[in-house]
Amino acid sequence: DTAVSQTPKYLVTQMGNDKSIKCEQNLGHDTMYWYKQDSKKFLKIMFSYNNKELIINETVPNRFSPKSPDKAHLNLHINSLELGDSAVYFCASSLGDTQYFGPGTRLTVL
Amino acid sequence: AQSVAQPEDQVNVAEGNPLTVKCTYSVSGNPYLFWYVQYPNRGLQFLLKYITGDNLVKGSYGFEAEFNKSQTSFHLKKPSALVSDSALYFCAVRDEGATNKLIFGTGTLLAVQP
Repeated sequence: DTAVSQTPKYLVTQMGNDKSIKCEQNLGHDTMYWYKQDSKKFLKIMFSYNNKELIINETVPNRFSPKSPDKAHLNLHINSLELGDSAVYFCASSLGDTQYFGPGTRLTVL
Repeated sequence: AQSVAQPEDQVNVAEGNPLTVKCTYSVSGNPYLFWYVQYPNRGLQFLLKYITGDNLVKGSYGFEAEFNKSQTSFHLKKPSALVSDSALYFCAVRDEGATNKLIFGTGTLLAVQP
């Protein structure tokens, strides 16, 4: 009965590969987000979708492509992975001001 | 541009003592302020928020925060710290231009010693 879930929890891959992270929320929220947390724990928003429409698109390489098939899901696809993409990626959702976060996906690019 | 600052990378406190984790903000209008906590290897959990009204906001796990407009601060407090409160605490402000966007501080690691 997890509110915001992400898969996988850990992802280890080689440079140049393409990978996806999936996110699902069962809270009935309209808005979903992707955040990146770097090794210094700095947290920065990447994307936000409201009812499947992209509303926030921060300065992120176009190798990163979010996709929202419905308002309960927001996936993140990353092409041509680079060493600097190694981080923890958090999905979140909100209905109003408060955001609720998933457990995170730790991506390690070798 | 909006921002929040957490001036302390780490706060150490003994169990049972009061704790304060500091946050100052910079906005041009009325601030919407939040505190989140991140336990090791976990996602962020919402603690409390200030939108309007009473300057003292009560939140989860016995935490509270005091909004001070003159000092542009929103410090997180708890009267009696627990070892289990040890975690990373983030202050955040809502972006005035994009209402769904939160701008996070750099985080403060709270270490509560038994």
